[in-house]
Amino acid sequence: GENVEQHPSTLSVQEGDSAVIKCTYSDSASNYFPWYKQELGKGPQLIIDIRSNVGEKKDQRIAVTLNKTAKHFSLHITETQPEDSAVYFCAAVLNTDKLIFGTGTRLQVFP
Amino acid sequence: NAGVMQNPRHLVRRRGQEARLRCSPMKGHSHVYWYRQLPEEGLKFMVYLQKENIIDESGMPKERFSAEFPKEGPSILRIQQVVRGDSAAYFCASSPGGADSPLHFGNGTRLTVT
Repeated sequence: GENVEQHPSTLSVQEGDSAVIKCTYSDSASNYFPWYKQELGKGPQLIIDIRSNVGEKKDQRIAVTLNKTAKHFSLHITETQPEDSAVYFCAAVLNTDKLIFGTGTRLQVFP
Repeated sequence: NAGVMQNPRHLVRRRGQEARLRCSPMKGHSHVYWYRQLPEEGLKFMVYLQKENIIDESGMPKERFSAEFPKEGPSILRIQQVVRGDSAAYFCASSPGGADSPLHFGNGTRLTVT
């Protein structure tokens, strides 16, 4: 079946600390894994993505890792800032061209 | 280059009325996706369309809901005879290819059924 699980549902960190969000997926055919950030009253915004032929990808303070064998992938945010506070969603796409989202993580960064 | 445009931003309908939600994809994007989001929940896939074709509507209720993406003009999500349970935020996304191309989302239409 098509299922993406995401943990934790809420995460509070002190400014400057790191934040890690983890997701697992059920379908081994999944080949594309984007992460989205959603601020209040807005649509989700793509922040980073990774494809199944790569194990890790980094963009400044954001990195994503993928373990295809275990079927899980993670988002790492280093040196967190208050403006990183938002809801983060992982997603996985199947060959059928359907993007399935995780349940979201509400990240709060305290100054 | 304008992003994905959705209108209206807010829509209030009484039970039994019809709701029509519009989505103009980014320029050059021919793939459109509709998602529904309840408060404090994730995004649930509803339907995937390409120009004039419905590719996957497995997430859309069989009754009262329909979607189209005509050759000219925006994509339309139509909900007939709305009920209170239809109250949600409806997001549209577009991409230049399939779902393994980056999806760009609009800011949604918040439907309230009274």
